Amino acid sequence: SQTIHQWPATLVQPVGSPLSLECTVEGTSNPNLYWYRQAAGRGLQLLFYSVGIGQISSEVPQNLSASRPQDRQFILSSKKLLLSDSGFYLCAWSAGGGLNEQFFGPGTRLTVL
Amino acid sequence: KQEVTQIPAALSVPEGENLVLNCSFTDSAIYNLQWFRQDPGKGLTSLLLIQSSQREQTSGRLNASLDKSSGRSTLYIAASQPGDSATYLCAVRIYNQGGKLIFGQGTELSVKP
Repeated sequence: SQTIHQWPATLVQPVGSPLSLECTVEGTSNPNLYWYRQAAGRGLQLLFYSVGIGQISSEVPQNLSASRPQDRQFILSSKKLLLSDSGFYLCAWSAGGGLNEQFFGPGTRLTVL
Repeated sequence: KQEVTQIPAALSVPEGENLVLNCSFTDSAIYNLQWFRQDPGKGLTSLLLIQSSQREQTSGRLNASLDKSSGRSTLYIAASQPGDSATYLCAVRIYNQGGKLIFGQGTELSVKP
């Protein structure tokens, strides 16, 4: 069966510090991978998606970047965090093609102080 | 631009009651629609995926219907239980952009014992 992991679960970072959130998927190959952010009082917003290694599409201009160094690894990064980067970050995967059911990880709660 | 709306934003019912959650979307050109459950501070759990060619899907006490032409979906929960208390999110999948999901704001359900 497939599983999706995210870490860390919780993170508190000062403004201006770097960020690295990791997501890995097990039990499948060549998945589509997604990063979403859920800010307080707002819905889920797609940040990045990837259809393959090294292929990243950005949905909104922001202070964040994403990378996919391996088939089942997706990383969300920032060089300098802003207060507005606080939120709940969710990684998701779907089987190749992207039109299949999406499955979400447990999320990372990021607080920028 | 696709927009997804969920009504009501919050709902409180006594245990045992049958209930309906509503989801509407502005553009009928969707590939499928997915219903999720989110417990506080947790990731999303996929409940049902209904393809654009389908009218309904059932899983246990849950039944989701889809009327693509009118831009509506409902999630019916039979014989509600306190353990059903959570936020329920619907999301539509559009054809391009890697299978991007567009989410509603969710309905927060509370089932009282």
